[in-house]
Amino acid sequence: DGGITQSPKYLFRKEGQNVTLSCEQNLNHDAMYWYRQDPGQGLRLIYYSQIVNDFQKGDIAEGYSVSREKKESFPLTVTSAQKNPTAFYLCASSLGDSSNQPQHFGDGTRLSIL
Amino acid sequence: AQTVTQSQPEMSVQEAETVTLSCTYDTSESDYYLFWYKQPPSRQMILVIRQEAYKQQNATENRFSVNFQKAAKSFSLKISDSQLGDAAMYFCAYRSGNRDDKIIFGKGTRLHILP
Repeated sequence: DGGITQSPKYLFRKEGQNVTLSCEQNLNHDAMYWYRQDPGQGLRLIYYSQIVNDFQKGDIAEGYSVSREKKESFPLTVTSAQKNPTAFYLCASSLGDSSNQPQHFGDGTRLSIL
Repeated sequence: AQTVTQSQPEMSVQEAETVTLSCTYDTSESDYYLFWYKQPPSRQMILVIRQEAYKQQNATENRFSVNFQKAAKSFSLKISDSQLGDAAMYFCAYRSGNRDDKIIFGKGTRLHILP
């Protein structure tokens, strides 16, 4: 079955440490996204990519970095510059060519600080 | 910039009854798309229903329907015959009709189903 796989499900970060969240999709979607979800905040866009080797900052990109070397993969690195990384992170993808296409979401990664 | 507002942080409905979740949005565009997503306790985001702004007919998916009022910039979700499995966070979302792929989400409404 096609879908989006996020790993790990739970992740712990030590002070000063960078951690990378994985997102893989086999839906042949062009566009991929990373969102952060905090209680009462809804979903906030961190980064998105419409095509391989290209990505744009979203609303809260500071302290995060991404890469898009392959169509299927869009890993998110939470750097030590992100001072409040504890949150639920959702990856999504969409066809990208047509705006009526919805986003498909992974099951999320919960990141906590040790 | 476009914004999406869900004014009801929480709502409750008796099982088998009907409930309406509100959503308003602000945009200067005429071509756009609207979505409702459901996020159950498992945290997975599930598309419930979508509406193209150029269509006057309200979208319907089984027990879920929308009331799309383009002039008022309102996009409410009606759930008929509420079931215990409908308990979740519901997010209203807006997507521009241009090449910008960003989707803008509201802050969500938590729906409780009372047995």
